[in-house]
Amino acid sequence: SQQGEEDPQALSIQEGENATMNCSYKTSINNLQWYRQNSGRGLVHLILIRSNEREKHSGRLRVTLDTSKKSSSLLITASRAADTASYFCATVLDAGNNRKLIWGLGTSLAVNP
Amino acid sequence: EPEVTQTPSHQVTQMGQEVILRCVPISNHLYFYWYRQILGQKVEFLVSFYNNEISEKSEIFDDQFSVERPDGSNFTLKIRSTKLEDSAMYFCASALDRGETQYFGPGTRLLVL
Repeated sequence: SQQGEEDPQALSIQEGENATMNCSYKTSINNLQWYRQNSGRGLVHLILIRSNEREKHSGRLRVTLDTSKKSSSLLITASRAADTASYFCATVLDAGNNRKLIWGLGTSLAVNP
Repeated sequence: EPEVTQTPSHQVTQMGQEVILRCVPISNHLYFYWYRQILGQKVEFLVSFYNNEISEKSEIFDDQFSVERPDGSNFTLKIRSTKLEDSAMYFCASALDRGETQYFGPGTRLLVL
């Protein structure tokens, strides 16, 4: 079983529209982090939301966390072509020594001009 | 803004050869990680390193892999005898505290022929 699973796997929208991506996980978490990856490039941290938080904002990004449903969503408002990338959620478990990141498969977002 | 750097950006090697992937984490960070991403697959945790020792390693991180922090700045991943299936993007990450935001380098794309 996988800790983080995003849906949809792929999303195609027009510039200006909002994009919503979801992430589900299976075990208790300490925090959940969203990352972005442009094609074949590095992983850029977007937002970290802790298990006792329900919502967080950063610019055009809004992240929610529902620990009862073990799910999170990432909303990108007023999307731009430059937002085209893959978006990953990664969880940090509430146990364990080193708090590694456990990754989902990601959502591939295409924003069409 | 401080960033994690990795060298080389690309490495092509023959099966059975040794490779060393280098990383310079952010200078005041204490926790260091290696992850890899096989093309089209999810990011996978390899190893975490704290206080000059491995704190956790995954099943992937077998005897062919080793990590070192030879001085105050570099963090290296060595693969002793590369296999075809080691072909992947390798990411180094560092964090100020365990479980907190991990900052990733741009990755090294390793191709084993």
